[in-house]
Amino acid sequence: QVQLQESGPGLVKPSQTLSLTCIVSGGSISRSGDYWSWIRQHPGKGLEWIGYIYYSGSTYYNPSLKSRVTISVDTSKNQFSLKLNSVTAADTAVYFCARHGKTAIVTFDYWGQGALVTVSS
Amino acid sequence: DIQMTQSPSSLSASVGDRVTITCRASQSINFYLNWYQQKPGKAPKLLIYAASNLQSGVPSRFSGSGSGTDFSLTISSLQPEDFAAYYCQQSYSTVYTFGQGTKLELK
Repeated sequence: QVQLQESGPGLVKPSQTLSLTCIVSGGSISRSGDYWSWIRQHPGKGLEWIGYIYYSGSTYYNPSLKSRVTISVDTSKNQFSLKLNSVTAADTAVYFCARHGKTAIVTFDYWGQGALVTVSS
Repeated sequence: DIQMTQSPSSLSASVGDRVTITCRASQSINFYLNWYQQKPGKAPKLLIYAASNLQSGVPSRFSGSGSGTDFSLTISSLQPEDFAAYYCQQSYSTVYTFGQGTKLELK
């Protein structure tokens, strides 16, 4: 059973960089066909997909955030990370990491429990 | 981006009721539509994939239908554990997008 766990600071100052890591256990992050995404949820709101990474390092980002986002992978540690720079209060959200395949039907079948990140001075 | 619009935004119902939530895409997405359930403080859980396929372990009272732009999620007989938020999600476009959610509340 694959498990994902987000970690990182819960409070980030405006204009700084938000950094989160997702540790994958119960399976290899390098398994062929598995993709690893970050998704966020603003308080009381819906879900916004941020981007994904493949174990090879290939990435794809939501164009709405692309200029500020970097997703990286460390296969030796079985984890992947999110960096979002120049944050504002609008980036306050619960950040989830999730696994999906890359068939025509992309389903997020395993999720972390979520990490609340507040942007405030 | 493909916009996903759910209705209603909230719904009050009783245990045993049959409820239907709808999701409309801003363009045709064929059958590339999934449904998730989210309880407070938890991550979403996949219920239905490819519009009408029940994810393993999900009770058969959940069902999905639709194709193109119009989709629906039906719960045939509400159970106490079904009161939660529900989201649709499209994967027709690589910029995956979700509906704004439907909050199902106990009447």
